[in-house]
Amino acid sequence: KAGVTQTPRYLIKTRGQQVTLSCSPISGHRSVSWYQQTPGQGLQFLFEYFSETQRNKGNFPGRFSGRQFSNSRSEMNVSTLELGDSALYLCASSLDGQGPVSTDTQYFGPGTRLTVL
Amino acid sequence: GNSVTQMEGPVTLSEEAFLTINCTYTATGYPSLFWYVQYPGEGLQLLLKATKADDKGSNKGFEATYRKETTSFHLEKGSVQVSDSAVYFCALSSYNFNKFYFGSGTKLNVKP
Repeated sequence: KAGVTQTPRYLIKTRGQQVTLSCSPISGHRSVSWYQQTPGQGLQFLFEYFSETQRNKGNFPGRFSGRQFSNSRSEMNVSTLELGDSALYLCASSLDGQGPVSTDTQYFGPGTRLTVL
Repeated sequence: GNSVTQMEGPVTLSEEAFLTINCTYTATGYPSLFWYVQYPGEGLQLLLKATKADDKGSNKGFEATYRKETTSFHLEKGSVQVSDSAVYFCALSSYNFNKFYFGSGTKLNVKP
């Protein structure tokens, strides 16, 4: 079974631009979460989508947005890029995510390394 | 609320040494607990998990036991290898929502 894939793997943008990152979850997984990883802040939760709806949201400004399609693929968008947005953006998928059963394990993609100049 | 606290790194060990990385958590309800590993330049990989109290997760020689009485999930390995050098993250999954809480990560350096 193919793992979580993220495209592109590397991106270089300049301040003020916008960027769209893509994530394809493991087949059959319906929950997709996004994280930002930086050396200073560690792993920070951005948002989670399930059945095309944003179910959970972290503490990031409105410049960070996302969506999920009917095939569970997800995209995140960052508008008006700032230098501090340089980070590794990780996507993770899980089967469902609610309840105590073992469907909540998250499987991560390799990440998209975004550099803002 | 929910949170995870890991020991500060980096941890530097010689090959074949015993490893312990401490992890404690605060949670409401009955979370699942996880250890993830991140090798340089890569995403996170699930190392092991435990879904209820007294469960022991194990994989590739690593072990961790879900201790509800001490709210801990310490990672151990009897004999580390150079190839174990990576950053290790402890995490919990909340009961009602698929929301993960990660610790700050502990970098492990294993010297030959």
